[in-house]
Amino acid sequence: QSVLTQPPSASGTPGQRVTIFCSGSSSNIGSNIVNWYQHLPGTAPRLLMYSDNQRPSGVPDRFSGSKSGTSVSLAISGLQSEDEADYYCVAWDDSLKGWVFGGGTKLTVL
Amino acid sequence: DVQLLESGGHVVKPGGSLRLSCAGSGFDFSNYALTWVRQAPGKGLQWVSSISDSGDSIHYADSVKGRFTISRDTSTDTLYLQLNSLRADDTALYYCVKGVGRRPLSYFDHWGQGTLVTVSS
Repeated sequence: QSVLTQPPSASGTPGQRVTIFCSGSSSNIGSNIVNWYQHLPGTAPRLLMYSDNQRPSGVPDRFSGSKSGTSVSLAISGLQSEDEADYYCVAWDDSLKGWVFGGGTKLTVL
Repeated sequence: DVQLLESGGHVVKPGGSLRLSCAGSGFDFSNYALTWVRQAPGKGLQWVSSISDSGDSIHYADSVKGRFTISRDTSTDTLYLQLNSLRADDTALYYCVKGVGRRPLSYFDHWGQGTLVTVSS
């Protein structure tokens, strides 16, 4: 059981907007920044969003992040087939003194 | 370009030991925290251990504490993970990951391709 909770799957059609939620607690999301990673099978995970809502260079502005209390969300607008991947939220946990991951959300583009 | 190249993954029997290595290049190795993250077959990503730039701050996941040891050698720009008392549930692809800062609290910006550890009799 992961410390951060994500839905195991999400889906959408090309062009649609999809939102992936991640919930935690006061010791992780509630007190530290959250980062998102995109993982395609057979490749290295890629930093998609850092500090809750900041996009690294090279990440399209179709991706956006937000935070409210002990929950965060990743929104993908104008869904494309290349967005089909696993998405993970990650945060430092002050109580566990370590990084905690969400269980991952498998995004399918129908 | 930042590169992280893991090696040392192997098939090992339960109770056995293994040492993983990660060679870093394309960045000032001694100025960044480094982390090991693993992914068991069909499962999600799981944090294993992190070490600060100087090695003075180290953290482990509870599942590996007392069995795994993280270390780094700045003379060769190499990160290590010593795995002892291996169990079947340690079977995973182990990724070497670079932080954006000096402390283990620094989030990750670059990942290696991983090295596979299989624990099986």
